[in-house]
Amino acid sequence: AQSVSQHNHHVILSEAASLELGCNYSYGGTVNLFWYVQYPGQHLQLLLKYFSGDPLVKGIKGFEAEFIKSKFSFNLRKPSVQWSDTAEYFCAVNAYPIIFGSGTRLSIRP
Amino acid sequence: GAGVSQSPRYKVAKRGQDVALRCDPISGHVSLFWYQQALGQGPEFLTYFQNEAQLDKSGLPSDRFFAERPEGSVSTLKIQRTQQEDSAVYLCASSLEDRGLKAGYTFGSGTRLTVV
Repeated sequence: AQSVSQHNHHVILSEAASLELGCNYSYGGTVNLFWYVQYPGQHLQLLLKYFSGDPLVKGIKGFEAEFIKSKFSFNLRKPSVQWSDTAEYFCAVNAYPIIFGSGTRLSIRP
Repeated sequence: GAGVSQSPRYKVAKRGQDVALRCDPISGHVSLFWYQQALGQGPEFLTYFQNEAQLDKSGLPSDRFFAERPEGSVSTLKIQRTQQEDSAVYLCASSLEDRGLKAGYTFGSGTRLTVV
């Protein structure tokens, strides 16, 4: 069975700091990987996705993620965060259906 | 419509009451999913429709939960005899692609159900 682990439950950063959110998955076959974001009071939105090709994937709002197959990881990164990045971030694996991690709450200090 | 629409946005139910939650997916999307999101947790899969066919209901927590999509468009999630543990946000998602494997899903804003 597939599963997703997000080890950081709550991350607090200052504006302009660099961000890396960890995600590890467990699945023996080919997987499609996603990061979703949920801004306060809004619905889940797709941030970026990976299913083949270049393991470094670029998404919206300056986010990127790197798929490392040997480590079963798909970490999310952003070089310089903004206050508006305050949200909950979910890593997800789709070998049908989409399985979500428990989420990481990101708080940005102005 | 432009997005996935869910109603009501909030629902308070007395324990034992039946509730019905509606989802209006993006027009033309063949796949429709229901998820349950408890406070502080990630969404958990409940059930999947391909058009009007319910192909997977393995995530439904009990036989009190029932979902339908009779014409392959709007879907309703019904919970009978609600219990306090049913309190959660219920999310609906749709995808143009069968099972949404690569395209991912478009989510609605959810219905927050509180059972008192």
